[in-house]
Amino acid sequence: QKEVEQNSGPLSVPEGAIASLNCTYSDRGSQSFFWYRQYSGKSPELIMSIYSNGDKEDGRFTAQLNKASQYVSLLIRDSQPSDSATYLCAVMTFGNEKLTFGTGTRLTIIP
Amino acid sequence: EAGVAQSPRYKIIEKRQSVAFWCNPISGHATLYWYQQILGQGPKLLIQFQNNGVVDDSQLPKDRFSAERLKGVDSTLKIQPAKLEDSAVYLCASSLVGENNEQFFGPGTRLTVL
Repeated sequence: QKEVEQNSGPLSVPEGAIASLNCTYSDRGSQSFFWYRQYSGKSPELIMSIYSNGDKEDGRFTAQLNKASQYVSLLIRDSQPSDSATYLCAVMTFGNEKLTFGTGTRLTIIP
Repeated sequence: EAGVAQSPRYKIIEKRQSVAFWCNPISGHATLYWYQQILGQGPKLLIQFQNNGVVDDSQLPKDRFSAERLKGVDSTLKIQPAKLEDSAVYLCASSLVGENNEQFFGPGTRLTVL
């Protein structure tokens, strides 16, 4: 079992709709969770971090964390073509600062 | 605030040659990371420094890869000799010290080994 799993996609969403990206992790000791956006040919850009169960909202982005189910998600409301990118889920385990990344989900917003 | 700086941005070498990458972290960030990202995969940690000490190098192929951070600021990553499978993007990231601290990435160096 991979430590951090994401559906590789591609995920296609119409412009203006909600994009839902999902991530599961295997280590119950994980305590910090991050979503990075990576445009083609560019480096990962941090867009959300979440540390406790529940929802965290920042503009059009909402991160959701459920530690009991070992599940973290990212919702993008009012999707724009500029949101088209690969979204990487990353998990940090208690006791170290090492990030373990999933393989990413490629999101395409269709105008 | 200036971001993480890396150079070169691109490098093409032949197998068995050597190559070095440079990274300058965000000012004040004591923790520095080198990641390898192969096309279609997420970044994989190679080595983590806190100041000039190594915290984690468990996934660094030490027979060919080396890294240093002599003065606790800049860092270099070297590959000698390079193999075809080393073709990847090498990303440097930095963060403040602490377990929840966010990591910020530089632009990366795209290495092609022919």
